[in-house]
Amino acid sequence: DAGVTQSPTHLIKTRGQQVTLRCSPKSGHDTVSWYQQALGQGPQFIFQYYEEEERQRGNFPDRFSGHQFPNYSSELNVNALLLGDSALYLCASSLAGEETQYFGPGTRLLVL
Amino acid sequence: KQEVTQIPAALSVPEGENLVLNCSFTDSAIYNLQWFRQDPGKGLTSLLLIQSSQREQTSGRLNASLDKSSGRSTLYIAASQPGDSATYLCAVRFGSYIPTFGRGTSLIVHP
Repeated sequence: DAGVTQSPTHLIKTRGQQVTLRCSPKSGHDTVSWYQQALGQGPQFIFQYYEEEERQRGNFPDRFSGHQFPNYSSELNVNALLLGDSALYLCASSLAGEETQYFGPGTRLLVL
Repeated sequence: KQEVTQIPAALSVPEGENLVLNCSFTDSAIYNLQWFRQDPGKGLTSLLLIQSSQREQTSGRLNASLDKSSGRSTLYIAASQPGDSATYLCAVRFGSYIPTFGRGTSLIVHP
C-alpha cells in the first residue's frame, strides 16, 4: 500500500516564475492538506481540499492556489514566485472525519 | 496570538539516556496536541495524539503528557537510541482544524 507520494522531489525556479507541485494521497484517503516548511521552522498550513473544494485556508496570499481531482490527488500552484517561497512543501492526506494525517516526503523548492 | 514554543531547540545525549522534550502553548482552550518526528529533508511521522480530554498517551518507549492549565506538553523518550535522532515537532489545534506547529527540537543520540 503506497503512502503519500509527492512530485517532484526537488525543484529550482527563478523569481517571477510559476510552479506546480503534485500530491497523491494514501490509498482510501479523500482529504489533502498542504504545508510550507521554511528552513528551521515548523510547517505552516496553506490549505486543505476535500471533495474537490478548498475547505480551509491558512494565512497565505492568493498567489498560492490548489486543485483536487476526482481521484483525490491534488496540485499546489504558486504564481509570481518570490525568494521567500523557497521551502519544503509538504502534502498530508487523511480520511474525512479522522484526525490522523499521513505526510509525504515533500518537495524542496528553491527560488533564485 | 496563539503560539507554540519548543525548548530546547537542540539536544545531544548519549545513547541510553531518558530524555524529555518540552512544548508550551499560549491558549489553554485546545482541541488536541500531536507530536511528530521528522528525519532530515523528509516528511512528518505522527508519534502520539493527545485529545483535549486526555492527560497522556503512550507508545512503546514514548510517553506524551498534556497539562492544559499550564499550557504544556512533554514528550518522554525512554532509553534513547541513535535511531531516535531526528527533529521532534509539536502541533496544537486551537479549536479549529488548522494546526499550529512549533519550530521543533533537533535531537542527536550518539553511541
